[in-house]
Amino acid sequence: QLVLTQSPSASASLGASVKLTCTLSGGHSRYPIAWHRQQPEKGPRYLMKLNNDGSHSKGDGIPDRFSGSSSGAERYLTISSLQSDDEADYYCQTWGTGIVVFGGGTKLTVL
Amino acid sequence: EVQLVESGGGLVKPGGSLRLSCAASRFSFSNYSMNWVRQAPGKGLEWVSSISTSSNYIYYADSVKGRFTISRDNAKNSLYLQMNSLRAEDTALYYCARGHSGSYLLVDWGQGTLVTVSS
Repeated sequence: QLVLTQSPSASASLGASVKLTCTLSGGHSRYPIAWHRQQPEKGPRYLMKLNNDGSHSKGDGIPDRFSGSSSGAERYLTISSLQSDDEADYYCQTWGTGIVVFGGGTKLTVL
Repeated sequence: EVQLVESGGGLVKPGGSLRLSCAASRFSFSNYSMNWVRQAPGKGLEWVSSISTSSNYIYYADSVKGRFTISRDNAKNSLYLQMNSLRAEDTALYYCARGHSGSYLLVDWGQGTLVTVSS
């Protein structure tokens, strides 16, 4: 079964960096994922596609502060130089035959 | 810039029906898979349904299978979701989302339309 697991919460200080993790279920470690951000009271926004080799392609207008990396079944989103409006929910997403799957989301608090 | 505008949400009684629409613009609609994703109040994102470019492939989450029907009209650049036998647990903000080319990597989102199922 294709499942994505995310920690429910994370926090980091203004100006610092944070690394969010999304873990693919067993047998699916080669799947690409997408990262999406949802700021409070807004719709989601696509950030990037992240492949199993760590290569990634970002959506239009996504700044260089956002980067992705991979290790085995884990997919990471690193945000550097944190700003107050980075405080949001971050979701990973993948797809298989006949199914689209979201992780449970990580709520990022910028201190 | 891609534009996706959902409409058709509202208040409906349990067991009732509703039809959502998503008007797409500023991209070649017929070349992309389309999707519905929902978000219950205070909860995360939940995939609802997907449809391929020519409607040849249609998929549903188990939670809506047999009750919801996704469709598209490429001539009208529009996506639809017919929702029947609605339940309280279908209460959510429903988003329309564009897939990347023929895949289900979701790359553009609408602002959502709210569906409330309550007596």
